Amino acid sequence: DVKVTQSSRYLVKRTGEKVFLECVQDMDHENMFWYRQDPGLGLRLIYFSYDVKMKEKGDIPEGYSVSREKKERFSLILESASTNQTSMYLCASSLLEGAEDGYTFGSGTRLTVV
Amino acid sequence: LAKTTQPISMDSYEGQEVNITCSHNNIATNDYITWYQQFPSQGPRFIIQGYKTKVTNEVASLFIPADRKSSTLSLPRVSLSDTAVYYCLVVPPGGYQKVTFGTGTKLQVIP
Repeated sequence: DVKVTQSSRYLVKRTGEKVFLECVQDMDHENMFWYRQDPGLGLRLIYFSYDVKMKEKGDIPEGYSVSREKKERFSLILESASTNQTSMYLCASSLLEGAEDGYTFGSGTRLTVV
Repeated sequence: LAKTTQPISMDSYEGQEVNITCSHNNIATNDYITWYQQFPSQGPRFIIQGYKTKVTNEVASLFIPADRKSSTLSLPRVSLSDTAVYYCLVVPPGGYQKVTFGTGTKLQVIP
């Protein structure tokens, strides 16, 4: 079964820490995405990548950066975690630019910043 | 990008057919309409996608009228396990870069 795997289901970090959220897909997909999900706000796109070493800002990139050194891995970095970054983070991948197959999502990482 | 509007929540009894309608008045000519399902503590899961008329798969049907300004996801004979949030998306063919999921419709299936 094809998968998008996020390294942690739950994380608790302190304010000011540098946080890495890892995502790996085994489907040889070109496109990868990071979303955050908050109650009442739905899913909001943080960053996406359509190729190795390529990245594009989504709707809410402030306070985040990303890294894609290999096709299968897309990392989200919180440079200096803040309490307003407490959220559910979802990684996704897709094959085609038109993505007729849709996104495949990971199970999410629930991050709490204290 | 086309904005979508769907009901915040719906209740249904087990065994009934459920129809969730989404409006997307400013959909572009080449945009697709896609629906996702999300269970608690999981990522959304692709259900169905269409461009016009009717699409059916093993999970659901998608009805799209000729003007494409709305679409209806139909779930036949729902069970408790269909309790989830359902998202309607309008997707341009060039990619998913700026697709907005919105807040979705929370479907509660009642025994």
